Amino acid sequence: EPEVTQTPSHQVTQMGQEVILRCVPISNHLYFYWYRQILGQKVEFLVSFYNNEISEKSEIFDDQFSVERPDGSNFTLKIRSTKLEDSAMYFCASGTSGSGRETQYFGPGTRLLVL
Amino acid sequence: AQSVTQLGSHVSVSEGALVLLRCNYSSSVPPYLFWYVQYPNQGLQLLLKYTSAATLVKGINGFEAEFKKSETSFHLTKPSAHMSDAAEYFCAVSEGIQGAQKLVFGQGTRLTINP
Repeated sequence: EPEVTQTPSHQVTQMGQEVILRCVPISNHLYFYWYRQILGQKVEFLVSFYNNEISEKSEIFDDQFSVERPDGSNFTLKIRSTKLEDSAMYFCASGTSGSGRETQYFGPGTRLLVL
Repeated sequence: AQSVTQLGSHVSVSEGALVLLRCNYSSSVPPYLFWYVQYPNQGLQLLLKYTSAATLVKGINGFEAEFKKSETSFHLTKPSAHMSDAAEYFCAVSEGIQGAQKLVFGQGTRLTINP
């Protein structure tokens, strides 16, 4: 069964460093998402992406964050200058239609620790 | 904005007992509701979803949920718990316009199964 994959599974970085989290969505999916979960808190929406453009972004997704689909398979989340509060589990998800009733398929997550 | 509230951050049941995980939603429009499960060190996996068809929705692994508009609830049940059901369960509602949908999650309920 096709699945969303994410790399790395864990990343430790120093505050102020740039990190890139990578995702490979399911191959025929067109809508892509990033969510994050700070330890002990809710899973929160960060950004949705379709047709090489951001569809919607949350208040969390400030100028330090960017997303890109550099080729036909990868979908990346970049944090330009990490802060301690960026420590979280980051989930990538993908879907086919972008409709409300659609299932979003999630990857296993990247656990980011900022020191 | 739409939201979901999960009552009980931790639920513990005995193996073979009924599982009941509570979710209440707040929505100004007919909602699309989801239950996801997260096993240790894995991503979010869809258990079931309500998309305005049948109010009783059956999912994987013997779980089901009933949409009750009058109670604004979408509780998850399983008649007989199995040790393998130990996981974190998330209720979510879909929000946004076509092409810019996002999932709004509850805070999660950690289910423990006692032998």
